[in-house]
Order: sequence, then structure tokens, then C-alpha cells
Amino acid sequence: GAGVSQTPSNKVTEKGKYVELRCDPISGHTALYWYRQSLGQGPEFLIYFQGTGAADDSGLPNDRFFAVRPEGSVSTLKIQRTERGDSAVYLCASSFQGSTEAFFGQGTRLTVV
Amino acid sequence: AQTVTQSQPEMSVQEAETVTLSCTYDTSESDYYLFWYKQPPSRQMILVIRQEAYKQQNATENRFSVNFQKAAKSFSLKISDSQLGDAAMYFCAHQGAQKLVFGQGTRLTINP
Repeated sequence: GAGVSQTPSNKVTEKGKYVELRCDPISGHTALYWYRQSLGQGPEFLIYFQGTGAADDSGLPNDRFFAVRPEGSVSTLKIQRTERGDSAVYLCASSFQGSTEAFFGQGTRLTVV
Repeated sequence: AQTVTQSQPEMSVQEAETVTLSCTYDTSESDYYLFWYKQPPSRQMILVIRQEAYKQQNATENRFSVNFQKAAKSFSLKISDSQLGDAAMYFCAHQGAQKLVFGQGTRLTINP
């Protein structure tokens, strides 16, 4: 596609529910990143995929967070038993292997009520 | 661990004037990159300018330039001839291995 696409744009869920956030990277980009941006803060790294495998998941805050990229393109960030503190904008970015230029999507704003 | 600090939560400038946004960082890596990203209300992070740490020459992209002081671990962004469309959040970021580490951001307002 023309750019990184993230769906949904906004998601409101109740505390304790399960949510899935989707990222569709730029075609041909092998690297994919998830970041979380809390209100008034800079984005914080969550996880990095190179192809299908998670090369670095050191930013996932706890075991309620999980991400997959089964075919090396689309990725899904999964959050179980959501908490109000999970409310944030979740940003996805992709890049060509070896490139330092990451292209970002417009993010998913998650609100847990 | 890498850290990035932006000490100016907000800045404002008159249209057509010049403004400088500050950034300092800390890193244990010898090879790294530094970036400035712009985030408008649409939330999408847009790359403004990039600097390779091994290059002594400061990067320039049209009206945007950086002052990279490697020994001081300082990386400021200068915007010349400010335009209304420059209004946004600006984030400084460091990249060592793969992931980006961002500062807290500076909100830039352009006064007409």
C-alpha cells in the first residue's frame, strides 16, 4: 500500500476486555515496530519484528501484551484483560531491512473505560 | 540504556522567524543515528531530518538544519523562515541497534 495502515483508528473498550490492534506495513518492508504513546509523552518501544519473528520484545510491559506477524506482513498487537493504564495511542512503523528510515502509521487510540 | 531529553515542553515563534529546539541524549553505543520527527494532530510521525553520528557535518533539509555536538551529546533542530504548517509536536529520537528511543517532545506554536 501507499503507507502504513492501522486499524481501527480509535477503539473504546471496557476494563478487562481483550483487544486486537492491526498494522498493515508498506509492501516489501521486512521490519515492523510497535510503539505506545501515552498522553503528553513520546512514543515508547514495545516490540520489533524482522520478518515473521520477534527480534526484540523487550518493551512489552507484561504478559498481557502479545504481538504476532505470522506471514511477515500484517501484524496484530493483542492485549488481554485490558486496564485503564493501557489507554494510549499505539503506533506502528515499518522499514526496509537495514534502513534507518521508519515510516509510521497514524496509530490506534485505545481508550479503556 | 539510551535516554533522550527535551527540556522545552513548549516553544513559540513568529511566522517567518527562526526557532531552535533543544535535545540532549545519552548512549553507550559508538554507532548510532539521531532524528527529529514531527507529529501533527493526525498522530502520524513524520521524519524531518536524520543525522549519522559518524558524520561531523550537520544535516540540512531545506529550512531545517541541526547542530550536532557529539562530545556534548547535543542535537538541536533549527527551523528557519517558520511557516504556519510547521506547528506540531517535535520529537528528538536516538536509534542504536534497531529501536527508536524518543524524548518527551516539544510543542511548537507558530504565531501569525
